[in-house]
Amino acid sequence: GQNIDQPTEMTATEGAIVQINCTYQTSGFNGLFWYQQHAGEAPTFLSYNVLDGLEEKGRFSSFLSRSKGYSYLLLKELQMKDSASYLCAVRGGSQGNLIFGKGTKLSVKP
Amino acid sequence: DVKVTQSSRYLVKRTGEKVFLECVQDMDHENMFWYRQDPGLGLRLIYFSYDVKMKEKGDIPEGYSVSREKKERFSLILESASTNQTSMYLCATSASQGEEKLFFGSGTQLSVL
Repeated sequence: GQNIDQPTEMTATEGAIVQINCTYQTSGFNGLFWYQQHAGEAPTFLSYNVLDGLEEKGRFSSFLSRSKGYSYLLLKELQMKDSASYLCAVRGGSQGNLIFGKGTKLSVKP
Repeated sequence: DVKVTQSSRYLVKRTGEKVFLECVQDMDHENMFWYRQDPGLGLRLIYFSYDVKMKEKGDIPEGYSVSREKKERFSLILESASTNQTSMYLCATSASQGEEKLFFGSGTQLSVL
């Protein structure tokens, strides 16, 4: 079956660093995505990893280890506006569509 | 920028009504998707389409149907709405199969009373 696990909630302090983990078990793998979703809004694309290693994009970085079925999203220099849900999604399965985790709600406190 | 437009932001319907949710995209994308999002369950794929007139069932198609008569428009149909279909419905598009990212519409919060 398909399974994507990520923590339900996390809290961090403004200016700090936070790491959101995602583990997955899917039949087939063709990339891992991270999306950000503010409350009441649509998800927006953050990052994409298909090869092992770290992808850095400004304050956000995403890491992938395919052998371990593991990814993380690293947010640096946290800002209040980073309070949102972060969705891990894997492209896999028999149809090659995106399979989403339940999301991690991040609260950034002053 | 890709624009994915969902016709209604909020919708209230009664049990048994036929409901149409419309999604229009302006970037000539091949692929269109309908998801529903529920607290504690995340995003779940209902139906998708890789081409005009083509449709495929996703993970939870029961109680839904879709229509794609034109490339830019993908409609989700609830033949007879039920209270367990109260949810946030999100339409998404992508340019092609493969690693292309999804672009989401702003969502329709449907309440079935």
